[in-house]
Amino acid sequence: QVQLVQSGAEVKKPGASVKVSCKASGYTFIDYYLHWVRQAPGQGLEWMGRINPNSGDINYAQSFRGRVTMTRDTSISTAYMELSRLTSDDTAVYYCAKKFCSKAVCHDTFDFWGQGTMVTVSS
Amino acid sequence: SALTQPASVSGSPGQSITISCTGTSSDVGGYNHVSWYQQHPGKAPKFVIYDVNNRPSGVSDRFSASKSGNTASLTISGLQAEDEADYYCSSYTSSNALLFGGGTKVTVL
Repeated sequence: QVQLVQSGAEVKKPGASVKVSCKASGYTFIDYYLHWVRQAPGQGLEWMGRINPNSGDINYAQSFRGRVTMTRDTSISTAYMELSRLTSDDTAVYYCAKKFCSKAVCHDTFDFWGQGTMVTVSS
Repeated sequence: SALTQPASVSGSPGQSITISCTGTSSDVGGYNHVSWYQQHPGKAPKFVIYDVNNRPSGVSDRFSASKSGNTASLTISGLQAEDEADYYCSSYTSSNALLFGGGTKVTVL
């Protein structure tokens, strides 16, 4: 069964960086884009970007460009999202999510999500 | 900025409710790539609709959706207690990005 297992909660100081991992299993890692989405406490979902695990191609949301780096390690089926220059506004649950494909057609939606990683930024 | 959704919608069991999601011609109106997600408290979102009006396998046929111009809509018919959750729309955009709505809290009275 498909699983996305993320790394544990983090507490960071303002100005620091955080790196969240997302280990995939139950499917061929390189065949499906992985996206990163965050959700601040009591707030809505915010798309951060996507990575093609096969080619390494990346698209970042405009609001995160210059601060976010998405990478992957195909040897261990794991994707990473690193966010730098953290502020209190970055306090949120960060999710990785797998792109949904059906009958060889892929769609701009997500069928499996990680359990979420809580990142708290506090001095 | 986020797609526009009503903050809250409520209905009695058995009734139908509709949630709107308004964007622009650069997102909702320009592409048939609108999705809807259901999120219960403390849980990851779950997709209930993709590509405007397609239901993934396993999702109840009480969920239906449509789009007209720059506004997409999700309808839940035969409202049940388990439908109480937050709902988010999302759309592909002309910037090759994805954009979410602000979310709608559905309350079953």
